[in-house]
Amino acid sequence: DAKTTQPNSMESNEEEPVHLPCNHSTISGTDYIHWYRQLPSQGPEYVIHGLTSNVNNRMASLAIAEDRKSSTLILHRATLRDAAVYYCILRGNNNAGNMLTFGGGTRLMVKP
Amino acid sequence: GAVVSQHPSWVICKSGTSVKIECRSLDFQATTMFWYRQFPKQSLMLMATSNEGSKATYEQGVEKDKFLINHASLTLSTLTVTSAHPEDSSFYICSAGGGSSYNEQFFGPGTRLTVL
Repeated sequence: DAKTTQPNSMESNEEEPVHLPCNHSTISGTDYIHWYRQLPSQGPEYVIHGLTSNVNNRMASLAIAEDRKSSTLILHRATLRDAAVYYCILRGNNNAGNMLTFGGGTRLMVKP
Repeated sequence: GAVVSQHPSWVICKSGTSVKIECRSLDFQATTMFWYRQFPKQSLMLMATSNEGSKATYEQGVEKDKFLINHASLTLSTLTVTSAHPEDSSFYICSAGGGSSYNEQFFGPGTRLTVL
């Protein structure tokens, strides 16, 4: 699976939108873009994923660049419970077994 | 979403003893489970892929004789840390793939292992 690059950390104010960027310039045509987050002392949890089109769900929105070399996870109104490490992961369509390779992620801090 | 549980949530053991960690998929059948290890302030590192009814596949650098994995049923995988040493102290996390949600992986809450 191709590599992703994320800022080490970001800070946000509570109830404001947060845009978490991810660069994946070597993405292949069949790679899905996945986002997971990990709250302190917990296992990761799925946030959202997409292939080419922007995606929305109850947790977040995923904006994918037209050339797919970058994407942005959007939290529309950050809460204190959104403080976590956010991981952007590429998963190839031929990745047998659904394996995920975690990079460093972005540590999001939310200020009240 | 699907639920994956781990037991115990934390364990403290003496150096040289063995510790077994269980990972269960509670509401779906998991043909494949994964075991990760996470040291403080680091990312998750995949240790091995556990396949139901067959031998686990270990990542490079992970000792298969030290970290024994058994996936005897579609809902249970176990990781046994044999002859544990302080450097094995870590956060161990399992996840389950397969079933009906091909694109999503479900993670357990993790097990904190401390070896004295």
